Amino acid sequence: NAGVTQTPKFRVLKTGQSMTLLCAQDMNHEYMYWYRQDPGMGLRLIHYSVGEGTTAKGEVPDGYNVSRLKKQNFLLGLESAAPSQTSVYFCASSRDLHTGELFFGEGSRLTVL
Amino acid sequence: RKEVEQDPGPFNVPEGATVAFNCTYSNSASQSFFWYRQDCRKEPKLLMSVYSSGNEDGRFTAQLNRASQYISLLIRDSKLSDSATYLCVVLTNDYKLSFGAGTTVTVRA
Repeated sequence: NAGVTQTPKFRVLKTGQSMTLLCAQDMNHEYMYWYRQDPGMGLRLIHYSVGEGTTAKGEVPDGYNVSRLKKQNFLLGLESAAPSQTSVYFCASSRDLHTGELFFGEGSRLTVL
Repeated sequence: RKEVEQDPGPFNVPEGATVAFNCTYSNSASQSFFWYRQDCRKEPKLLMSVYSSGNEDGRFTAQLNRASQYISLLIRDSKLSDSATYLCVVLTNDYKLSFGAGTTVTVRA
């Protein structure tokens, strides 16, 4: 049972480059999320989705775009990477919004030079 | 002011000791509370929910104090495997999850 899978696990970018992080879940969850985690700060929500074809902004959406074309996949894009986007990115999914139980992927470490 | 605040620690304790730490939250309308565990360079995982009357899960005890707006986690008989960062998570009444930055616990042999 894979759960939530993120690719790639590591990536180094130069300022201005673009990239896409892929998240896939096999639990048939409706809700999916992208967070970033920086030292000394709690996980911060970038974007989320409440179902296939829907997306919404979280706490720190600027500089990111997302898409949820299929229920099992949630893509996070950086169109023009900046050093401030150096972080660990976690994708998560949940059955609904009422529960606090999120299932996280293993994380993607992104460095922007 | 951060919505969820935690003492970052680290709390260094010997095996077998009891360790406890708190988390405070700012939104009085928060409805649900959780503790997550995050091992070094790993993803967070749900440790336990926190109920109004307090609850235990083995060696772990969680308490909620709504009047003072804090939750606590107590670990009894600490094991080496308890070494981790413990994240306090609060669900507000608009279904927003807020994460604390975490409290690091290190259990030494």
